[in-house]
This record gives sequence, C-alpha cells and structure tokens, in this order.
Amino acid sequence: GAGVSQSPSNKVTEKGKDVELRCDPISGHTALYWYRQSLGQGLEFLIYFQGNSAPDKSGLPSDRFSAERTGGSVSTLTIQRTQQEDSAVYLCASSLYRRTDTQYFGPGTRLTVL
Amino acid sequence: DAKTTQPPSMDCAEGRAANLPCNHSTISGNEYVYWYRQIHSQGPQYIIHGLKNNETNEMASLIITEDRKSSTLILPHATLRDTAVYYCIVRVEYTGNQFYFGTGTSLTVIP
Repeated sequence: GAGVSQSPSNKVTEKGKDVELRCDPISGHTALYWYRQSLGQGLEFLIYFQGNSAPDKSGLPSDRFSAERTGGSVSTLTIQRTQQEDSAVYLCASSLYRRTDTQYFGPGTRLTVL
Repeated sequence: DAKTTQPPSMDCAEGRAANLPCNHSTISGNEYVYWYRQIHSQGPQYIIHGLKNNETNEMASLIITEDRKSSTLILPHATLRDTAVYYCIVRVEYTGNQFYFGTGTSLTVIP
C-alpha cells in the first residue's frame, strides 16, 4: 500500500520567508510525528499528533514553528520568518498506534534557507 | 527511554552475514528493542522489533539476550544496498513518545 508521502521533496527559500511542509500519513494511521535532521546529525523530534491534537509540542525549537493536523490525516508544518539554521531535512512519520506503535517514515522534505 | 550504545562503524563483505550489536543495559521490562536503518538521503526505514523473544522477518533477525541487556541485528546475506546507518532504539510502546535516534552504526557492505 501507499506509504507516508511528503511534499515538496525540496524547498529552497530566502531568509525571512514563510514555508509550509506537508505530510500525508498512511491511511488509517492515527499518530503522526515530525522530526528534522540537520546535515550529518541525528533525528531531532519536533511534535507529535494523536488524531488532530498535539499532546507533545516540546520539540518545536521556537515560536516560529507551528504544526496542525486536520481530519486526522494530513499535517502541515509551518516555519515563519525562516532562518539559515532552519535548513535541514524535515521528516514525517505515522503509526497505527492502536495495533502497533511502529513508526513509518516518509522520504522527507529538504529545506534550504539562503 | 533507555539509552543504547552501538559501534560507530562496521564493514561487512557482500554475501556474508552482518551482525550489528547494541547494548541497552538499563532497559526496563516494558521497553521494546527497535531497529531502523537510514540509507543516504532517505527517511528511516523500519526493520524489526521485539521485547524478549528472538524475532525474524523478511529483512533481518533480532537476537535479544536472556537478560535483555543487549541485542544483535543480523542481516543474513548482506548486499551493497544494505549500506546504511543502523539505529537501535529502546522504547516503551503506546506512550506516544518519539523515537530517540542516537548516532547509530554506519554499516558499509564491501564488494
């Protein structure tokens, strides 16, 4: 079946602009996670959704970062007034949660802030 | 979630078994052992997970010691496409927690 998809695959933006990154989880998966990975670094947790609510926003690095999820499906991660240090690969994962907690990852969005 | 320790890098000859170790000496009774891998420029890929019994699937086998303080991921016949960073993670299920990806083991399969 279809896996987790993310769009765009690559995004180049200028410092100070806002960007939106989209994640389509596996159909029926109730839990959704956002991570980011800077070049040569490990994965950094950003936020977790269970349904449309986000019980854990602890990983968002600043108030420029926000995320929402609607209809228990698609999620959007928004970064306002982008900075060069925001450059990274942003990864989304989903899990069925009730039957298995295994997270399945999408291919990521590579964000470059010039 | 318990901390894991993995060697930073390993080599394996193509066609041979790759045995990747992981130490998790502080694991608690309700924590599962997960393995993921990340091939360059791709998202992490789930491989296998287990609690205390050995597990096998089409990708790999997971051997967990009786005291659960360590485990080994076995790729029975490594191919060049198995070159990746392999992450061992221990985690309590159904807590909604993130997966803590450490630095992992960079496996290079050599022709």
